[in-house]
Amino acid sequence: GQNIDQPTEMTATEGAIVQINCTYQTSGFNGLFWYQQHAGEAPTFLSYNVLDGLEEKGRFSSFLSRSKGYSYLLLKELQMKDSASYLCAVRDLDQAGTALIFGKGTTLSVSS
Amino acid sequence: GAGVSQSPSNKVTEKGKDVELRCDPISGHTALYWYRQSLGQGLEFLIYFQGNSAPDKSGLPSDRFSAERTGGSVSTLTIQRTQQEDSAVYLCASSLVGVWGDRSSYNEQFFGPGTRLTVL
Repeated sequence: GQNIDQPTEMTATEGAIVQINCTYQTSGFNGLFWYQQHAGEAPTFLSYNVLDGLEEKGRFSSFLSRSKGYSYLLLKELQMKDSASYLCAVRDLDQAGTALIFGKGTTLSVSS
Repeated sequence: GAGVSQSPSNKVTEKGKDVELRCDPISGHTALYWYRQSLGQGLEFLIYFQGNSAPDKSGLPSDRFSAERTGGSVSTLTIQRTQQEDSAVYLCASSLVGVWGDRSSYNEQFFGPGTRLTVL
């Protein structure tokens, strides 16, 4: 079966660094995605990892360890606009095509 | 360029009525996905279309749900005899390539704004 776990909520202050963890269990792993979703809006793509290691993109970085079934999204120099839900999603070749299995999302609140 | 569009943006219906939700994917994208997002829940996969192949309906929650994709482009999700538990945001996504087992591309999915369905 498939299972994606991430914290429900996190809080942080402007300028800080926050790490959002995601653990997964899948039978046919083929990549892990992070999406950002502001309230009432569509999810937007942030990052993709298929090999172990760290992918850096500006203030955001994503890490993957396939052997541990673990990923994290690292947000640096937090801004108020980073307040959103962060969705961890896994592509599982044993599921339909390239459809994604999503976690329930982590709601991040950034305060001044 | 134009992104994924969905209509209507909001739909309120009475229990037992049928509803149709529409999705226009990004031009040229061969893969199209429907997801459902209920309050406090993650996105739930419903159905997947790849080109002209038969869709994979493994995520549809009941036989009241069906979907079509005409001409490999526009898709319609139909919910018959709606129930209150069908209330959710229905999201459509498309990607450039959706070949099963393709490891050469990460096939980023682009999401539409969703249709918020409320069943009274």
